[in-house]
Amino acid sequence: QQQVKQSPQSLIVQKGGISIINCAYENTAFDYFPWYQQFPGKGPALLIAIRPDVSEKKEGRFTISFNKSAKQFSLHIMDSQPGDSATYFCAAREGDDKIIFGKGTRLHILP
Amino acid sequence: DTAVSQTPKYLVTQMGNDKSIKCEQNLGHDTMYWYKQDSKKFLKIMFSYNNKELIINETVPNRFSPKSPDKAHLNLHINSLELGDSAVYFCASRHGQLGNTIYFGEGSWLTVV
Repeated sequence: QQQVKQSPQSLIVQKGGISIINCAYENTAFDYFPWYQQFPGKGPALLIAIRPDVSEKKEGRFTISFNKSAKQFSLHIMDSQPGDSATYFCAAREGDDKIIFGKGTRLHILP
Repeated sequence: DTAVSQTPKYLVTQMGNDKSIKCEQNLGHDTMYWYKQDSKKFLKIMFSYNNKELIINETVPNRFSPKSPDKAHLNLHINSLELGDSAVYFCASRHGQLGNTIYFGEGSWLTVV
């Protein structure tokens, strides 16, 4: 059973546009929701994260929107750049140690 | 300095062989992990160790045996390799009490032929 559902699987956006990736979860015990960015040949790296008591968090061009009642959260990349082309994973933490990842979104920004 | 380093980066081996992947972190973290990423990029947790003690074992075949000689090292030994074991294996670490961020190594690309 997939505990964190992520969409779309792939996304193509024009340079300067807004990239939006969505995630949904079922387990209300999740208490921390990070987004990771992975470039080809590299390991995932933390991009931005949010706790469920906050509805929005912004860091530079990256914003997480969190809807606790709908059990959904999304990543918005404003003014998308070719250097943002990567695979993005949403995730959720269960307990102290277990981070569960969505299936990833391959983002390609057209120059 | 690389925070989480794993070796080898690439490994090609035949079915039935036994192989190991080593991981070391120099961040002083208490918790270490092994994740498996398949060809579709799906990241799945395999094991979690805290201060050398096994915390999470996600129904991984017992051909996979992690070993943590100290809290800075978590090695992965795989017996009787199968074609389906081909994947990228990521070692990762987290501070534990003081941090939520998981730091990943660069991955070990295992191909079983």
